[in-house]
Amino acid sequence: KAGVTQTPRYLIKTRGQQVTLSCSPISGHRSVSWYQQTPGQGLQFLFEYFSETQRNKGNFPGRFSGRQFSNSRSEMNVSTLELGDSALYLCASSLAGGGPRAEQFFGPGTRLTVL
Amino acid sequence: KNEVEQSPQNLTAQEGEFITINCSYSVGISALHWLQQHPGGGIVSLFMLSSGKKKHGRLIATINIQEKHSSLHITASHPRDSAVYICAAVNAGGTSYGKLTFGQGTILTVHP
Repeated sequence: KAGVTQTPRYLIKTRGQQVTLSCSPISGHRSVSWYQQTPGQGLQFLFEYFSETQRNKGNFPGRFSGRQFSNSRSEMNVSTLELGDSALYLCASSLAGGGPRAEQFFGPGTRLTVL
Repeated sequence: KNEVEQSPQNLTAQEGEFITINCSYSVGISALHWLQQHPGGGIVSLFMLSSGKKKHGRLIATINIQEKHSSLHITASHPRDSAVYICAAVNAGGTSYGKLTFGQGTILTVHP
């Protein structure tokens, strides 16, 4: 089975722009979670989607949003980018309804740099 | 104080040594993950446990729910074990139900 894929792998944007990141889960996995990793804050939970519904959301401003499609692929969007949004964005998928309570399979991440 | 604390933050060992990484949490949890992250960013799930002990090869993870503490042990460490090890707690209640809260990570370096 193919693993979790994320596109693009690297992205450079300027302040004020918006960005959309994509995540394709492992075939058969219906839960997708998104995480942000920065040197200062470490890993932080952004949100989790299951069956096209957001089930859980971390403590991030409304500029961070996401969605999930019927094929379980997920996108996250960051609007009005700030320098502090520079980070590695990771998604992870898990089987069925487990979400974070099930084994997480991580993608390689998208490294976003905001200039 | 962070909800999930790891110790030590940095750990250096010689090949063959027995290694222990600790994770303490202050919230009620339904499960705890141990993750491994190599340079370059890729994260691999090592264990997910909600009670007792799990073993996989040279890796052992234990959790004591009453004491709110988990440990990751590596027996006969090898340079390829060098990585960042991260514990993550799955919140069990309140407004944080189901969310993952991460420790700050332990940087392990194993010298040959």
